[in-house]
Amino acid sequence: NAGVTQTPKFRVLKTGQSMTLLCAQDMNHEYMYWYRQDPGMGLRLIHYSVGEGTTAKGEVPDGYNVSRLKKQNFLLGLESAAPSQTSVYFCASSYPALEQYFGPGTRLTVT
Amino acid sequence: DQQVKQNSPSLSVQEGRISILNCDYTNSMFDYFLWYKKYPAEGPTFLISISSIKDKNEDGRFTVFLNKSAKHLSLHIVPSQPGDSAVYFCAAKGDNAGKSTFGDGTTLTVKP
Repeated sequence: NAGVTQTPKFRVLKTGQSMTLLCAQDMNHEYMYWYRQDPGMGLRLIHYSVGEGTTAKGEVPDGYNVSRLKKQNFLLGLESAAPSQTSVYFCASSYPALEQYFGPGTRLTVT
Repeated sequence: DQQVKQNSPSLSVQEGRISILNCDYTNSMFDYFLWYKKYPAEGPTFLISISSIKDKNEDGRFTVFLNKSAKHLSLHIVPSQPGDSAVYFCAAKGDNAGKSTFGDGTTLTVKP
C-alpha cells in the first residue's frame, strides 16, 4: 500500500497563477482533508470531505477550492495564487472517528 | 482563539530520561485526543490517542494522560531515545466529520 500520496512535492508559482494539488489514498478511507502548515504553527484545516462528491470548508478556506470526484482522490485548487499562500500543504485521510494518515506534503512558494 | 495550545515550543532531554509534553484545550466538546509525531520533510504520523472516557492510555514507551477537569493532556515518553527527536502535535476532535484541531507543536530534542 502506498498510503497517502501527494503530487507535486515542490512547486514555485508566480502571483496570480493557478495550480491544482492532487492527493490520492489507497486505504478506502471515507474522509479526506487538506491542511496547510506555516512555520512555527500547527496544521490548519483548509477543506475536508466526508465522502465522494461532498466537500466542506475548514478553518482557512479562502482562496482555495476542492473537489472529490472519486473516493480515492481529493484535489486542492488555487485559482489565483498569492504570496500569503506560500506554505507546506498536507493531505490526510481517515476512517470516521479514527486517526488520520498524512501524505508527505507539498512545499509551495508563491513569488 | 486557539482551542488547542502547546505552550512549550521546545523541550530538550537526555537519552534515557522521561520526556513530558503538555497540551491544553478550551473546547469542552472535544471528546477524543491524539498525538502525532513529525520528522522534517515528512507528513505527521499518528502516535497515540485517548478517549474522553479514559484518563490514561499506554502503548509501549508512550503514555497519554487526560485530565478532563483541567482540560489538560500530556504525553510521557519513557525512556526517551534520540530517534524520538521530532515535532509532536497534540490534536483534539469533537464532531462527526472527524475534523481535528491541532496545537502548534513542541519540538523534542533527545540528546545522546
